[in-house]
Amino acid sequence: KNEVEQSPQNLTAQEGEFITINCSYSVGISALHWLQQHPGGGIVSLFMLSSGKKKHGRLIATINIQEKHSSLHITASHPRDSAVYICAAPPFNTDKLIFGTGTRLQVFP
Amino acid sequence: DTAVSQTPKYLVTQMGNDKSIKCEQNLGHDTMYWYKQDSKKFLKIMFSYNNKELIINETVPNRFSPKSPDKAHLNLHINSLELGDSAVYFCASSQGLEIYNEQFFGPGTRLTVL
Repeated sequence: KNEVEQSPQNLTAQEGEFITINCSYSVGISALHWLQQHPGGGIVSLFMLSSGKKKHGRLIATINIQEKHSSLHITASHPRDSAVYICAAPPFNTDKLIFGTGTRLQVFP
Repeated sequence: DTAVSQTPKYLVTQMGNDKSIKCEQNLGHDTMYWYKQDSKKFLKIMFSYNNKELIINETVPNRFSPKSPDKAHLNLHINSLELGDSAVYFCASSQGLEIYNEQFFGPGTRLTVL
């Protein structure tokens, strides 16, 4: 079992829908990254958060370190949001990121 | 200007060959990484370097040898390529050793071993 799990694995939505992607982890961490991988393969960092909530445009990320859970929300989803969303976390006392299995999102017009 | 660049973008080669992938970043970062993304799109750390020094060396076969001639470059040389090496390899960089710092990824190199 992977130390960082995401759900759902695949998600389809109609344009305008509110999207939630979940990430849970079994290791102790202080912070967590959310990444986006475009259909063309490129990866960009969306958020790094250690507590509470962060917002960037239509994207909102939340984390509860004690409950070992983070969520990524997309409001008013758009077809250009179609991508794979990946959470990643460094366990305590390590210098490496452990990646979630990814959530493939497809938003249809 | 591309922040993190990799060459080549695609690499198709025969089993048993030796090949290299190059990575360069112009962000002034001092930490660079190599990641492997398998056919199931699962990303895994391979190596990280800070100021040309090896920091992380995951359980990667000895056939993989990273080289960092300076802090802006981290190349990956692979000897005796095997079918299982087929994957997309991503280079990334970040400022400092702090793992919570934002990482900037290259476009990836798709390696296909026939």
